[in-house]
Amino acid sequence: ETGVTQSPTHLIKTRGQQVTLRCSSQSGHNTVSWYQQALGQGPQFIFQYYREEENGRGNFPPRFSGLQFPNYSSELNVNALELDDSALYLCASSSQSGGGNTIYFGEGSWLTVV
Amino acid sequence: GQQLNQSPQSMFIQEGEDVSMNCTSSSIFNTWLWYKQDPGEGPVLLIALYKAGELTSNGRLTAQFGITRKDSFLNISASIPSDVGIYFCAGQSAGGTSYGKLTFGQGTILTVHP
Repeated sequence: ETGVTQSPTHLIKTRGQQVTLRCSSQSGHNTVSWYQQALGQGPQFIFQYYREEENGRGNFPPRFSGLQFPNYSSELNVNALELDDSALYLCASSSQSGGGNTIYFGEGSWLTVV
Repeated sequence: GQQLNQSPQSMFIQEGEDVSMNCTSSSIFNTWLWYKQDPGEGPVLLIALYKAGELTSNGRLTAQFGITRKDSFLNISASIPSDVGIYFCAGQSAGGTSYGKLTFGQGTILTVHP
């Protein structure tokens, strides 16, 4: 148990639609980051949120956006879904409190775009 | 996106054997993390390394942070069937915008024959 929970666990969307994925971070962790993991590959960093603002982004287009709420929970929104967006989407939480930093992942949300 | 070079890509071993896998990078990292991922689940943190040269153990697992800060290895001693899974190395840079950002290797698929 990492204390990071994600919903939904599985969903199917049609190309062109929009999707929202949700994440509750581990208690006390103020940084949430999102990753995309295609089948057979390692996770790829999408972006991270700290104090409700995006403060780091990977190589993903603007149709990938997010939110972080005062309780540190977060959403990932993807607009205009494409077939290649089919992947496991992972949320991770960490704490910007100095010292050694560890990052814990949730179980992920499987997105299939048809 | 950028990835670490992780090897080997896959390993087939007998129960009781020792396993070694490693990661190399062209970039310096401040933290190295090793994760295990079972099918359909999120990555689970195994070991975190925070200092160059650091050698850390977690049960039958031992990992080291390379002196150059560009590499790390993970050893598993006396493998058992439940060690089966995909092992990922991940590097993290310094700085506030990197707290949640990990760069992952391609993964090592481990199969253990009883």
